[in-house]
Amino acid sequence: GESVGLHLPTLSVQEGDNSIINCAYSNSASDYFIWYKQESGKGPQFIIDIRSNMDKRQGQRVTVLLNKTVKHLSLQIAATQPGDSAVYFCAETTGGYQKVTFGTGTKLQVIP
Amino acid sequence: DAGVTQSPTHLIKTRGQHVTLRCSPISGHKSVSWYQQVLGQGPQFIFQYYEKEERGRGNFPDRFSARQFPNYSSELNVNALLLGDSALYLCASSFSAISGTGELFFGEGSRLTVL
Repeated sequence: GESVGLHLPTLSVQEGDNSIINCAYSNSASDYFIWYKQESGKGPQFIIDIRSNMDKRQGQRVTVLLNKTVKHLSLQIAATQPGDSAVYFCAETTGGYQKVTFGTGTKLQVIP
Repeated sequence: DAGVTQSPTHLIKTRGQHVTLRCSPISGHKSVSWYQQVLGQGPQFIFQYYEKEERGRGNFPDRFSARQFPNYSSELNVNALLLGDSALYLCASSFSAISGTGELFFGEGSRLTVL
């Protein structure tokens, strides 16, 4: 069945360092892979997505890498800031309608 | 512009009761989706509605139902509440029904506690 899973439940990073959050997925038919950020008491917020026919996409301070051979997705955050502290979810969607399948999340803690 | 708004923000019910949760999408958005987020887990897809029609349904029992109104707002109804229904219920809106997922905007959710 479809599943998106994360390797680490908690990640602690020093402020200013780069963060890498990893994710494994199982559905080869996924069209898009997405990273969401969820702060305490708030709904998920879109960070960046990547289409399945791409292997890299960059945004502002964030980069998503997709390795379809090993079904692996990663989110890199450059120069991590305290405001980046949150739970990060990888997710995937398959065409047809907007059913987004979320993973269990990684909590990113930024140490000042 | 206002984002996705949900009400109520918090509510407590007892087993067997019924609950109605409400969502107003971003102005101009015609699609509304509902997700259930149990503590410590990622959101789980429940329904998507577009132009008042159900476009998708997740793996939830028939106790869960929803509808979308002509103004594109939506209600999620849950009957015969169980303790396991305790969760954060998230509403998300988007302009279209099928497109890149970057267009999905979430509200802050309705926190339901079933005692």
